[in-house]
Amino acid sequence: EIVLTQSPGTLSLSPGERATLSCRASQSVSSSNLAWYQQKPGQAPRLLIYGASSRATDIPDRFSGSGSGTDFTLTISRLEPEDFAVYYCLQYVNSRTFGPGTKVEIK
Amino acid sequence: EVQLLESGGGLVQPGGSLRLSCAASGFTFTNYAMSWVRQAPGKGLEWISGIGGRGDGPYYTDSVKGRFTISKDRSESTLYLQMNSLRVEDTAVYYCAKGSTGYYPYYLDYWGQGTLVTVSS
Repeated sequence: EIVLTQSPGTLSLSPGERATLSCRASQSVSSSNLAWYQQKPGQAPRLLIYGASSRATDIPDRFSGSGSGTDFTLTISRLEPEDFAVYYCLQYVNSRTFGPGTKVEIK
Repeated sequence: EVQLLESGGGLVQPGGSLRLSCAASGFTFTNYAMSWVRQAPGKGLEWISGIGGRGDGPYYTDSVKGRFTISKDRSESTLYLQMNSLRVEDTAVYYCAKGSTGYYPYYLDYWGQGTLVTVSS
């Protein structure tokens, strides 16, 4: 089973700042089969990024994904008030496993 | 527009059973894999089961294997999760999610709003 680790656990930032979230896999995620999701309280997760770097439909271009192998990054270039949420990575090359999440909170 | 509507959650005693349903619309149900994902109160997401577009698989995480059964009713465009021998640790919001394709590997591109299952005496 591929285990995903996300860091940091919590990121405290101000609107307008840049957010960099990390997702590390216990073994290589081939073909970049990694996705990112955003979840707000009381809501279902929303797909942001798939294939490590492709933005999903209607996702603003301030969200970008990068990485390959075992190290992946989600970057939010300038935080908007609606971006404060929990972010999860998902690997889908070997069954499916989620990372534990990174909470992006207002500083 | 893709829509997924879960139902069937509720309060059940340990050892009991429950069947969750997910009514799908806005896409050709037989062309896409489907999954169930759960989230315990205050915790992260856990993928628990998936089934291919034409019912191939299915697959389960170890913690539910032998207790839960996923199935698709293609005529009704409905996904099911039969949950037996429920445990307190199965308490969670259960989400139905659509796969990006009908076969592996697939990511989850659309999600329902979830249904709460509480296992307690």
